[in-house]
Amino acid sequence: DIVMTQTPSSQAVSAGEKVTMSCKSSQSLLYSGDQKNYLAWYQQKPGQSPKLLIYLASTRESGVPDRFIGSGSGTDFTLTISSVQAEDLADYYCQQHYSYPDTFGAGTKLELK
Amino acid sequence: EVQLVESGGGLVQPGRSLKLSCAASGFTFSNYYMAWVRQAPKKGLEWVATISTSGSRTYYPDSVKGRFTISRDNAKSSLYLQMNSLKSEDTATYYCARHPGIKGHWFAYWGQGTLVTVSS
Repeated sequence: DIVMTQTPSSQAVSAGEKVTMSCKSSQSLLYSGDQKNYLAWYQQKPGQSPKLLIYLASTRESGVPDRFIGSGSGTDFTLTISSVQAEDLADYYCQQHYSYPDTFGAGTKLELK
Repeated sequence: EVQLVESGGGLVQPGRSLKLSCAASGFTFSNYYMAWVRQAPKKGLEWVATISTSGSRTYYPDSVKGRFTISRDNAKSSLYLQMNSLKSEDTATYYCARHPGIKGHWFAYWGQGTLVTVSS
């Protein structure tokens, strides 16, 4: 199984800050057939179900603000929030969809400083 | 608007069975792979099962293989999860999720979840 490791586990931020969080996979998520990275990012606010932010490592889901930026390739990926807003305080999970079993990282919790 | 509404959760004793349902609307259900993902209290996300459009192919992690069965009824736009031999570690909120309409199995839409508690 592909193991997903997210760091940090939690991060205290102030509104307007630039935030980056990391997701590393135990195997490459780059599929040679199409040169795409099979990595997704989700946001989960307290008491809510997860919401898709990014798929194929860098493609923003429709309706997701452009301050959310996914990047990386192979085994190293990053989610950047260019200017954190109060409504961005949530848990963030990465997920590899390269091969079964689908696996998630343990999450990064964004908290208010 | 895509809607996924789960039902069937509740309190069940270890070793017993429970069947979850998910009613889908707002899209052509038969065109999409569907899945279940769970989240134990205060924990992260765990994929539980995926089913192909026709139901002919199913996928499970080792943690539930042989105990859980995913199925669908395209005529009713409904997804199901039959859970047998339940264990305390199966206690979680179970989400119904839709895969994208293109190659890849990320989870494009999620339901609100239904809570399953396995306890004596």
